[in-house]
Amino acid sequence: DTGVSQDPRHKITKRGQNVTFRCDPISEHNRLYWYRQTLGQGPEFLTYFQNEAQLEKSRLLSDRFSAERPKGSFSTLEIQRTEQGDSAMYLCASSASGSRPEQYFGPGTRLTVT
Amino acid sequence: SQQGEEDPQALSIQEGENATMNCSYKTSINNLQWYRQNSGRGLVHLILIRSNEREKHSGRLRVTLDTSKKSSSLLITASRAADTASYFCATDGYAGNMLTFGGGTRLMVKP
Repeated sequence: DTGVSQDPRHKITKRGQNVTFRCDPISEHNRLYWYRQTLGQGPEFLTYFQNEAQLEKSRLLSDRFSAERPKGSFSTLEIQRTEQGDSAMYLCASSASGSRPEQYFGPGTRLTVT
Repeated sequence: SQQGEEDPQALSIQEGENATMNCSYKTSINNLQWYRQNSGRGLVHLILIRSNEREKHSGRLRVTLDTSKKSSSLLITASRAADTASYFCATDGYAGNMLTFGGGTRLMVKP
């Protein structure tokens, strides 16, 4: 257990539905990252927060995706109008700062879109 | 897109043998990290090596970094069946330290 938690661990949804995932980082970490991983591949960066500010978004993050970190603690990732191609493991990670760049990952949320 | 590539893509060894995995990357980096992932689970941080370091040790792990060749290697000594997992290298080269991962090496250690 790295101290990063994600909820839910598994989500099955029908195409076109909206889904929301939550990540609770390690409490003293001010940086929070979302990644997506498909089967047999390494994770790919989606977006990054420092405190409550969203500082970077990948072009993988289409308009259907939105992420928030309203109080600089937990974060949510919402996918609207899900598509089958959204099926993947969504991973959250947190780190302390630039001088301590080690990122610690949560267990992930596995999304299946049917 | 993947920044780096791990080599080999798959490795099968006997318990007690050493396992060496290599990682190559394309652009300048600040840090390189190695992670382990058991099937269907999250990533476990193993070790971080900074761009000004050449070698680091942690228990049975030894990591080297050659920035001139843009490559790194992870050596696991005296492997155990519990080391069976996928191993990923990840680099960061930006102020936000976003990680760019390779495709991973799938290691199987046979008892």
